[in-house]
Amino acid sequence: DQQVKQNSPSLSVQEGRISILNCDYTNSMFDYFLWYKKYPAEGPTFLISISSIKDKNEDGRFTVFLNKSAKHLSLHIVPSQPGDSAVYFCAASEADSGYALNFGKGTSLLVTP
Amino acid sequence: EAGVAQSPRYKIIEKRQSVAFWCNPISGHATLYWYQQILGQGPKLLIQFQNNGVVDDSQLPKDRFSAERLKGVDSTLKIQPAKLEDSAVYLCASSLGIDTTEAFFGQGTRLTVV
Repeated sequence: DQQVKQNSPSLSVQEGRISILNCDYTNSMFDYFLWYKKYPAEGPTFLISISSIKDKNEDGRFTVFLNKSAKHLSLHIVPSQPGDSAVYFCAASEADSGYALNFGKGTSLLVTP
Repeated sequence: EAGVAQSPRYKIIEKRQSVAFWCNPISGHATLYWYQQILGQGPKLLIQFQNNGVVDDSQLPKDRFSAERLKGVDSTLKIQPAKLEDSAVYLCASSLGIDTTEAFFGQGTRLTVV
């Protein structure tokens, strides 16, 4: 069963505009959420995370929003740059499982000049 | 700081053959994970180690997959015998400890079973 869902397989955005990537989850026990970025032929690299006790975390151009009641989180990239083109994975974890990551299927972001 | 090292990068084997993957985590990281990523899917946890002990191997197909982390550092993941559906990228990740939320990934080993 897929506990973390990314329903948009792909997204195309113009350079300079905002990219919004969405993620939904089903397990209310998750207490940490992360976004990973993956380029072809490389492993995922950590981008940004948020604890379940917060609703927003910002790091430079990247902001993650968490809506616990809706079991939904989103990643905002502003402004988007061509180098942001990659596959973005949403992941969730819980302390009781040793913070092992449960991943979504990923969203492929293409930022066009 | 050196990252998570994995080898080989690529492997092609015939079904029913055996294969082994190796992982060297970031120095000082106590927790080590093996994930399987099938094309078009997100990574799926196979096994989690804390030092040289297994924390979670509930999703490891134990009839054909095995993993060990002797001395609590390097780890090997073995498949014997391989099936066509085992074709995937096998990712190793490590973190400081079981209370750490952020994991660092290696480049992965792409396995093709023909």
